[in-house]
Amino acid sequence: DGGITQSPKYLFRKEGQNVTLSCEQNLNHDAMYWYRQDPGQGLRLIYYSQIVNDFQKGDIAEGYSVSREKKESFPLTVTSAQKNPTAFYLCASHKRGEWSMSTDTQYFGPGTRLTVL
Amino acid sequence: GNSVTQMEGPVTLSEEAFLTINCTYTATGYPSLFWYVQYPGEGLQLLLKATKADDKGSNKGFEATYRKETTSFHLEKGSVQVSDSAVYFCALNAGNNRKLIWGLGTSLAVNP
Repeated sequence: DGGITQSPKYLFRKEGQNVTLSCEQNLNHDAMYWYRQDPGQGLRLIYYSQIVNDFQKGDIAEGYSVSREKKESFPLTVTSAQKNPTAFYLCASHKRGEWSMSTDTQYFGPGTRLTVL
Repeated sequence: GNSVTQMEGPVTLSEEAFLTINCTYTATGYPSLFWYVQYPGEGLQLLLKATKADDKGSNKGFEATYRKETTSFHLEKGSVQVSDSAVYFCALNAGNNRKLIWGLGTSLAVNP
């Protein structure tokens, strides 16, 4: 079955530590996205990548970093510079190309809940 | 700029009640419009979408019609079930960079 996997499901971090959240997809999608979800604030875009070895900052990139060395993988590192990292993190992917009925849907992973202790 | 406004929740209904969740948007051009659903503890799933004016998206008994004249994409269901309890997000895409613009989400609780 094709899909997006995120790991771990729950992650605990001590203050001052960097942590990396995994996102893998086997949908052969070109574009991948990281969102942060906080109660009452909807989804906010952290980073996105349209192709391998290229990525752009979203609306709240400060304190985060990403890499896109493989088409299937888009890991997110939450650095110690992120002041309030406790949140639910969602990864999504999208098939690049012309917007059409068959290609303009973002597919989401199950999410990782990060808690800073 | 582009934006999406959803009605605030939480919305609490009894089983078999009629559901409406309002969504209005501001966008240049001709955006595609989406409703996503998030069940407790899970990621988001596409519920339905519409890509041009007057299109009606439908899925699992939910419907939404793309109304360009009122810039709206309201979500409706004639008879909700307990299993419909979730958070519903309205979103649009209006640009060439494939970024979605999201509403804040509306929480729905359906009581038996």
